[in-house]
Amino acid sequence: DGGITQSPKYLFRKEGQNVTLSCEQNLNHDAMYWYRQDPGQGLRLIYYSQIVNDFQKGDIAEGYSVSREKKESFPLTVTSAQKNPTAFYLCASSITVGRSYEKLFFGSGTQLSVL
Amino acid sequence: RKEVEQDPGPFNVPEGATVAFNCTYSNSASQSFFWYRQDCRKEPKLLMSVYSSGNEDGRFTAQLNRASQYISLLIRDSKLSDSATYLCVVRDYGQNFVFGPGTRLSVLP
Repeated sequence: DGGITQSPKYLFRKEGQNVTLSCEQNLNHDAMYWYRQDPGQGLRLIYYSQIVNDFQKGDIAEGYSVSREKKESFPLTVTSAQKNPTAFYLCASSITVGRSYEKLFFGSGTQLSVL
Repeated sequence: RKEVEQDPGPFNVPEGATVAFNCTYSNSASQSFFWYRQDCRKEPKLLMSVYSSGNEDGRFTAQLNRASQYISLLIRDSKLSDSATYLCVVRDYGQNFVFGPGTRLSVLP
């Protein structure tokens, strides 16, 4: 079955540590996104990528980095510069940017907590 | 002003009730509109796209008013399984998806 796979489901970070969240999709979608969700809040865009080897900052990119070396993969690194990383992280994809009613498909999320 | 605003909630309704969610958006150039449903600590799932003429899917009806920049979702004969957070999502042509904060619904037996 096609879909988006995020791993791990739960992740713990020590102070000063960088951690990487994995996101893989086999939907052949061009666009991929990373969102952060805090308790009781909506989703906020961290980074997005429309094509391989290209990505743009979202609204809250500080303290995060991404890469898009393959169409299927869009890993997110939470760096030590992100002082409040505890949140639920969601990866998503869509067929392509620019077509109306293109829907977002989500992975099951990663809960990141600070030790 | 936030780009997408929703009723703050939570809504607590008895089974069988009709409940309406409201959403407003600030960017008049917005092109696509959606309602997503999110269960606690799960990923959002598409409930409905919202078309200009309005659309219905079983117990769910979505309406769009472009002049007022307003979107609504109506749930009739609510079930216990409808309990979730409902997210209003707006997309500008060629741009990204903007999420509202969500409205939590609890359907009570």
